[in-house]
Amino acid sequence: AQSVTQPDIHITVSEGASLELRCNYSYGATPYLFWYVQSPGQGLQLLLKYFSGDTLVQGIKGFEAEFKRSQSSFNLRKPSVHWSDAAEYFCAVGPANAGGTSYGKLTFGQGTILTVHP
Amino acid sequence: DVKVTQSSRYLVKRTGEKVFLECVQDMDHENMFWYRQDPGLGLRLIYFSYDVKMKEKGDIPEGYSVSREKKERFSLILESASTNQTSMYLCASSLVQGGTDTQYFGPGTRLTVL
Repeated sequence: AQSVTQPDIHITVSEGASLELRCNYSYGATPYLFWYVQSPGQGLQLLLKYFSGDTLVQGIKGFEAEFKRSQSSFNLRKPSVHWSDAAEYFCAVGPANAGGTSYGKLTFGQGTILTVHP
Repeated sequence: DVKVTQSSRYLVKRTGEKVFLECVQDMDHENMFWYRQDPGLGLRLIYFSYDVKMKEKGDIPEGYSVSREKKERFSLILESASTNQTSMYLCASSLVQGGTDTQYFGPGTRLTVL
């Protein structure tokens, strides 16, 4: 069974500081990986995704993530955080070769809440 | 842009009531999903559908049912609402039938059961 762990429930950074949000996954085959962001009271918005190719993926709002197969990780980074980045962030994993009973279901981590201090 | 809409942003119901949550997507997506979101638990899949009239149980289907009579619409039904179903409910859709693809989310419905 696939699973996702986001070890940090809550992270606080100062505006302008760098950010790294951790995501570790467990999956027996090649995964597809996603990062979503959720602002308060809103639905989830896709930040970036990894399906194949270059393991360093660029997303919207200046975010990037690196897929490290050997470490089963897909950490999200941003070099300089803005106050508007305060939100909850979710990592998700799905099967690359969906079919049968998997139907391409995504499994989400528990989320990391980001607070940004001025 | 993909648009996923949900019929209500906030809903308050009483224990034992039948509750309908509606979700509509406008991008001809094949797959549709219902999740519930609770603090510290992330998103948990209730049901999903990869085709009209087709449905599959997710991880926590107990107490819920779904209906997909038209491609663009996916309804979540709470047959007899209970207080432990108080939660945020999120609908999503994706393009690739039965395959892993980007899921696009609606704004959510915050349901309170008294």
